[in-house]
Amino acid sequence: GPKVLQIPSHQIIDMGQMVTLNCDPVSNHLYFYWYKQILGQQMEFLVNFYNGKVMEKSKLFKDQFSVERPDGSYFTLKIQPTALEDSAVYFCASSRDISGNTLYFGEGSRLIVV
Amino acid sequence: GDSVTQTEGPVTVSESESLIINCTYSATSIAYPNLFWYVRYPGEGLQLLLKVITAGQKGSSRGFEATYNKETTSFHLQKASVQESDSAVYYCALGDTNAYKVIFGKGTHLHVLP
Repeated sequence: GPKVLQIPSHQIIDMGQMVTLNCDPVSNHLYFYWYKQILGQQMEFLVNFYNGKVMEKSKLFKDQFSVERPDGSYFTLKIQPTALEDSAVYFCASSRDISGNTLYFGEGSRLIVV
Repeated sequence: GDSVTQTEGPVTVSESESLIINCTYSATSIAYPNLFWYVRYPGEGLQLLLKVITAGQKGSSRGFEATYNKETTSFHLQKASVQESDSAVYYCALGDTNAYKVIFGKGTHLHVLP
């Protein structure tokens, strides 16, 4: 089936540094999402992105977070600066349309902030 | 608020036994929720198992079934005879056709013994 690729699969970073998580969504998809899952906890919605804009974000999407998809390339999640509580697995997802909400997920990027 | 509650895992069953993973939802801000079961097999990304967007309907895939019950706000996942290859983490989820996010349960880890 369609694949969503995430790079890197894991990263360790010092607190206060910047990190960029990359997502290569399914080629004809228009809606892009980031989810965050802390170890042992629920996977939670962060943000949705469409047509170059954030459509909806949760309270977990702090001011230090930003998303973009320049020129149809990777859909990125940037955290600057990182904090210890940002340690989690971040899942990217994409969908072709909004009706029915069928999401295609990547395998996740495990971020460890030390 | 909107939420999903599902069977706490891990759930361990023997091959060829029947399975039920319970899921109930609360959709206080969604008039017509869409309901999903997603699955993550070992080493793979989260993928859609089945979805139902109309109350009273049943969805099925790979021998799994779930019925959208609006009266009991439930969407239990069932299979008559599990296989070892069904070992995975199963997520019940709730979505809104007109919104941009899907809300996930905590996931249920299923172990099927040979």
